[in-house]
Amino acid sequence: EVQLVESGGGLVQPGGSLRLSCAASGFTFGNYWIYWVRQAPGKGLVCVSHINWDGSATTYADSVRGRFTISRDNAKNTLYLQMNSLRVEDTAVYYCAREMSSAGSGPRMDSWGQGTLVTVSS
Amino acid sequence: DIQMTQSPSSLSVSVEDRVTITCRASQSIGRNLNWYQEKPGKAPKLLIFAASSLQSGVPSRFSGGGSGTDFTLTISSLQPEDFATYYCQQSYSTPRTFGQGTKVEIK
Repeated sequence: EVQLVESGGGLVQPGGSLRLSCAASGFTFGNYWIYWVRQAPGKGLVCVSHINWDGSATTYADSVRGRFTISRDNAKNTLYLQMNSLRVEDTAVYYCAREMSSAGSGPRMDSWGQGTLVTVSS
Repeated sequence: DIQMTQSPSSLSVSVEDRVTITCRASQSIGRNLNWYQEKPGKAPKLLIFAASSLQSGVPSRFSGGGSGTDFTLTISSLQPEDFATYYCQQSYSTPRTFGQGTKVEIK
């Protein structure tokens, strides 16, 4: 069974740091692009960052570029999101999601973790 | 970045109603369009990928259509468990972007 389990969320003051983790199991982790997607309270889904199979390519939303860093350890089947200089507006549930792509069909996020809540507040 | 616009933002419907949600991309994305269902406190769930392909395990009352810039998600006969928020998402280019969501509520 494919599983993604996030951890590392919590309450942090503005300007602080947190490191999120996403532990994967049930599939060959290194074969997939993985995304961090967040949902602020009462808001929609936003892709924060993504990383390719071996970590050689990453993207970031403008709102987090320069503050967040995505990485992965394929030997440990784990994805990370280092979040620095946190702002109140970073408060959200953060999900990791696997992107599946097959011949003849476009990419899609077919498996998601349960999410971890990050609250930035003084 | 490709902008995704959904309409309506919300709708009030009754069980067994037919529901159609539309999604428009700011540029042509071929058929690289996915639909997700989200319920409070739960992770989003993939319903439709590649505009019209039904994800395994999703009931056949869900269907998708369209290509280029205009897409639809249709629920043929709304069931009680379908009251949720629905999002479209383009997978044509990075960054992946979502529509703002359509909340389907009980009338």
